[in-house]
Amino acid sequence: QKEVEQDPGPLSVPEGAIVSLNCTYSNSAFQYFMWYRQYSRKGPELLMYTYSSGNKEDGRFTAQVDKSSKYISLFIRDSQPSDSATYLCAMTGNTGGFKTIFGAGTRLFVKA
Amino acid sequence: GAVVSQHPSRVICKSGTSVKIECRSLDFQATTMFWYRQFPKQSLMLMATSNEGSKATYEQGVEKDKFLINHASLTLSTLTVTSAHPEDSSFYICSASSTNEKLFFGSGTQLSVL
Repeated sequence: QKEVEQDPGPLSVPEGAIVSLNCTYSNSAFQYFMWYRQYSRKGPELLMYTYSSGNKEDGRFTAQVDKSSKYISLFIRDSQPSDSATYLCAMTGNTGGFKTIFGAGTRLFVKA
Repeated sequence: GAVVSQHPSRVICKSGTSVKIECRSLDFQATTMFWYRQFPKQSLMLMATSNEGSKATYEQGVEKDKFLINHASLTLSTLTVTSAHPEDSSFYICSASSTNEKLFFGSGTQLSVL
């Protein structure tokens, strides 16, 4: 079993839709949770950063962490074609060294 | 957010030559830098972790004599692909961190070995 599971997609939605991206994980020591957006042939860009459980909102983006279920989500409201990219979840914690573990990435296509 | 600069963005070289890729943290001091390799439509594969002033720690299966990493200062790390061959062609990305929790990435380098 991988430490972090993420459906690679692709996920295709119409413009304006609400997008839900998710990851599950197995290591309860993870405390810091990130979402990155990566456009083709570019480095990942940090979108959201959350510590422990709870919600965080930034513009059209909302990150949720449920540590009891070991489940994190990223919601994108009013999705735009420019949101088309690969979204990577990542997490780290004091697991005997702060090593960041990445999900496989979900490819998102937002159709105009 | 913090800025990490990576150069060059693209390099084409002949088989057998060496290629150096630079990764700089522009507005913060990076105690730790990471180097990744990424194949098309796949996630990041961690190659090595480098801490300023000490030897890099390589992931299992990564040849340290092939991929030389130097982290000489708190703002600069370099990856040198020595005697590059076509199978080394890939997208290489660095990331930097001043804390243990957040990583900031460079823009990546597409290496093509002919």
